[in-house]
Amino acid sequence: GAVVSQHPSRVICKSGTSVKIECRSLDFQATTMFWYRQFPKKSLMLMATSNEGSKATYEQGVEKDKFLINHASLTLSTLTVTSAHPEDSSFYICSAEVQKFYNEQFFGPGTRLTVL
Amino acid sequence: GENVEQHPSTLSVQEGDSAVIKCTYSDSASNYFPWYKQELGKGPQLIIDIRSNVGEKKDQRIAVTLNKTAKHFSLHITETQPEDSAVYFCAARRNNAGNMLTFGGGTRLMVKP
Repeated sequence: GAVVSQHPSRVICKSGTSVKIECRSLDFQATTMFWYRQFPKKSLMLMATSNEGSKATYEQGVEKDKFLINHASLTLSTLTVTSAHPEDSSFYICSAEVQKFYNEQFFGPGTRLTVL
Repeated sequence: GENVEQHPSTLSVQEGDSAVIKCTYSDSASNYFPWYKQELGKGPQLIIDIRSNVGEKKDQRIAVTLNKTAKHFSLHITETQPEDSAVYFCAARRNNAGNMLTFGGGTRLMVKP
């Protein structure tokens, strides 16, 4: 199959701190990974497209200096929320594109971020 | 860009009945249409998908139909069970590597025992 993991699953932090979320493809290599944000009872909002070895492509309205994305290997992408504020509290989900499955996207389990 | 509309936003059915969720899309170049099931506090899970070279695809109790001319596709769940209760999202995309999915707004399905 195509399994995507995320760590941590849940994090609580104080305002002003930075939080790193990891997204890993466990049994395949992912050239492209995506980061989404989801508010309660809402749909998924694409934040950025992460390509291995190059800079991420951010969607309009997403601050790249606020949400740092690094895709340093074919199995790992990280999202760092810098100087977090309560309004950054959300459910963050990554997905990875699996080329051998006709570019289907498989999603991680999500990370619940709460900023106090 | 692509725009995907999904209806209804909530759907309540009795166990054993069928459920139908409908989506429309705007980009005629889209050719890949997946459906995801999301349970509370979890990431979306791909349950079925369809590509534009077919009009219907079935997997046990789940089926998806696609009408490219009208630019709409639907999810059909037969013999619903309480464990089918979840939020379902449709999505559309041009099926090239690195292309983003555009999601519908989601449908909260509740199956009453």
